[in-house]
Amino acid sequence: EVQLQESGPGLVKPSQSLSLTCSVTGYSITSSYRWNWIRKFPGNKLEWMGYINSAGSTNYNPSLKSRISITRDTSKNQFFLQVNSVTTEDTATYYCARSGRPKPFDYWGQGVMVTVSS
Amino acid sequence: DIQMTQSPPSLSASLGETVSIECRASEDIYSNLAWYQQKSGKSPQLLIYYASSLQDGVPSRFSGSGSGTQYSLKISGMQPEDEGVYYCLQGSKYPLTFGSGTKLEIK
Repeated sequence: EVQLQESGPGLVKPSQSLSLTCSVTGYSITSSYRWNWIRKFPGNKLEWMGYINSAGSTNYNPSLKSRISITRDTSKNQFFLQVNSVTTEDTATYYCARSGRPKPFDYWGQGVMVTVSS
Repeated sequence: DIQMTQSPPSLSASLGETVSIECRASEDIYSNLAWYQQKSGKSPQLLIYYASSLQDGVPSRFSGSGSGTQYSLKISGMQPEDEGVYYCLQGSKYPLTFGSGTKLEIK
C-alpha cells in the first residue's frame, strides 16, 4: 500500500526557511505520478503549492514561485519542500500527496503543523 | 487562476437526510472536478473524481454530477460518519484550486 509521511520542524522563525520531508513507501516516486505539497491554513483554506513529477520536473503555484523549491532524493524515495523568507502567513498544516490522471490527490500524508513565530 | 465557489459554507443534516453541496468554477473545467472529505484531525480523502467517478472503497451513498462550470456532491442518506468538511478541487488547469469548504454536521 502507498503511504506518505511528512516530517520537519513544527516551529520556524519569521524570515527563515521552512523545510519539510515527505517519505514515500509502497511506490517508487520515479515510476510515475506527480508528488505534491498542499497546505491548509487556519480557517480551512486549502492551497496547492507545487509538485515534482517522476522525471524530476517541477511545477509551482505562481503565488509562491519565487519562494518555493521542491526537490527529491530518489535513493531514499523522499521528496522535499523548502519555502524561503517565511512570514506568519505561512502558518499552516502541510501535506504531501500523490496525484495522477484521472485521480488527483488519491494518497495523502497525515500532515504536519508548522507555526511561524518568533 | 480558476476560482471555485463552493456552497453552502456549512450544513446541518438529520440522519438519513439527503444533502447536496455545490461548486461553481469561473470557467469550463471539462469535468475535471474532484470531491474530498476531511474529518477532524485527519487528512483529506478522495471521494469522487472526474465529476462523477466513485473512488474505491467510498460508500455508494456518495455521488457526484455536473459539467462545464457547475458541479455537485450528493450524500443520499446522511450517516454520523459523514460529518466533516467537504472540498471540491478543479484539476483542469494549474494552479489547481480548491473550493472554500463546506462543514457538514449532524443535526
